[in-house]
Amino acid sequence: GNSVTQMEGPVTLSEEAFLTINCTYTATGYPSLFWYVQYPGEGLQLLLKATKADDKGSNKGFEATYRKETTSFHLEKGSVQVSDSAVYFCALSDRTQGGYSTLTFGKGTMLLVSP
Amino acid sequence: EAGVTQFPSHSVIEKGQTVTLRCDPISGHDNLYWYRRVMGKEIKFLLHFVKESKQDESGMPNNRFLAERTGGTYSTLKVQPAELEDSGVYFCASSQEIGGLGVNTEAFFGQGTRLTVV
Repeated sequence: GNSVTQMEGPVTLSEEAFLTINCTYTATGYPSLFWYVQYPGEGLQLLLKATKADDKGSNKGFEATYRKETTSFHLEKGSVQVSDSAVYFCALSDRTQGGYSTLTFGKGTMLLVSP
Repeated sequence: EAGVTQFPSHSVIEKGQTVTLRCDPISGHDNLYWYRRVMGKEIKFLLHFVKESKQDESGMPNNRFLAERTGGTYSTLKVQPAELEDSGVYFCASSQEIGGLGVNTEAFFGQGTRLTVV
């Protein structure tokens, strides 16, 4: 079956530091890959996505590249801000038998950014 | 436009009691999903509605969980009787896909309902 593995947290950084959150996946077929973010007190929000190999998703200064050869989708940001403090979830989407997609998530990584 | 809304935001119940969670999807979204995150673990898929029909309920943990989506609008998830291991955050999501071609369609999530069974 499908699975997503992401690095354990919390990740603690100072403002303007470089961020990497590792994510690897196992899937049958060719999934789409996503990063979701949950800010304190809010729901899950789509941060970025990539639908095929070598695609790069980007949003709000975050980037992730779909690497089929290493089955990875690592999240990076060059300079984090305090407002980036949140829980980040890596996920994949594949078709179910009925032709619709559901999401398989990793455990989530908490990011704490201090001023 | 209103997003996905869930009620209540937090529920604390005793073991053996019944709890009903509600999800109002984005208007016009045919697809509605329930997910659950148990503390420290992955967010796990529970089930998927297409309009009022259950498309996939392979993630439902046992028969103490009952989900309905009357008229293809809002959905309820009832836990009866609740057990300690049911504690967690229950997320609802909705999406709009056309003709089964939408693996790339974004799913919009609600804020979640935090269920605590004591």
